[in-house]
Amino acid sequence: DVKVTQSSRYLVKRTGEKVFLECVQDMDHENMFWYRQDPGLGLRLIYFSYDVKMKEKGDIPEGYSVSREKKERFSLILESASTNQTSMYLCASRGAGGEKLFFGSGTQLSVL
Amino acid sequence: GENVEQHPSTLSVQEGDSAVIKCTYSDSASNYFPWYKQELGKRPQLIIDIRSNVGEKKDQRIAVTLNKTAKHFSLHITETQPEDSAVYFCAASDSGYSTLTFGKGTMLLVSP
Repeated sequence: DVKVTQSSRYLVKRTGEKVFLECVQDMDHENMFWYRQDPGLGLRLIYFSYDVKMKEKGDIPEGYSVSREKKERFSLILESASTNQTSMYLCASRGAGGEKLFFGSGTQLSVL
Repeated sequence: GENVEQHPSTLSVQEGDSAVIKCTYSDSASNYFPWYKQELGKRPQLIIDIRSNVGEKKDQRIAVTLNKTAKHFSLHITETQPEDSAVYFCAASDSGYSTLTFGKGTMLLVSP
């Protein structure tokens, strides 16, 4: 079974800190995604990547960047965390020929 | 870009009743419509999907219907059970291989 692992389940950071959220998948999937989940707003796409070194902006990329140096790892970076980035962050992966998204268990980030 | 509206935002039913969740989409090019279920504290998981060349698809107690002319699709759950309690997300994309646009979610509560 596909495993998508997010490094932290809960994270508390201070305003202005640089924050790294890590995601690793073990199924050699080409496609990886970062979503943000907020109550009443559903899942919103921040960034995605279809291959190593490639990245594309999603619907809400402002304040975020990403890194994909290796196929299995996709990192989300908050350059200078702000309180409005307090949220649940979900990573997902998908094979090149597939349609199904496999989600990680999420990182609940609180920015104080 | 695509816009997906989902209703209702919350739905309470008695065990054994049927539940229907409805979504509308804006982009007539969309042709792939998955539904994801997220139990409390867990990751979203794909439960059923449908393509635009099919009007209805069933899997045991769940079914999805699609009306391309009206640009809406629905999730039907029959004989609901307490374990159906979860947040359900609909989504749309112009293919299974591009990015998904999610609805805002429906919290379904099934009371014993």
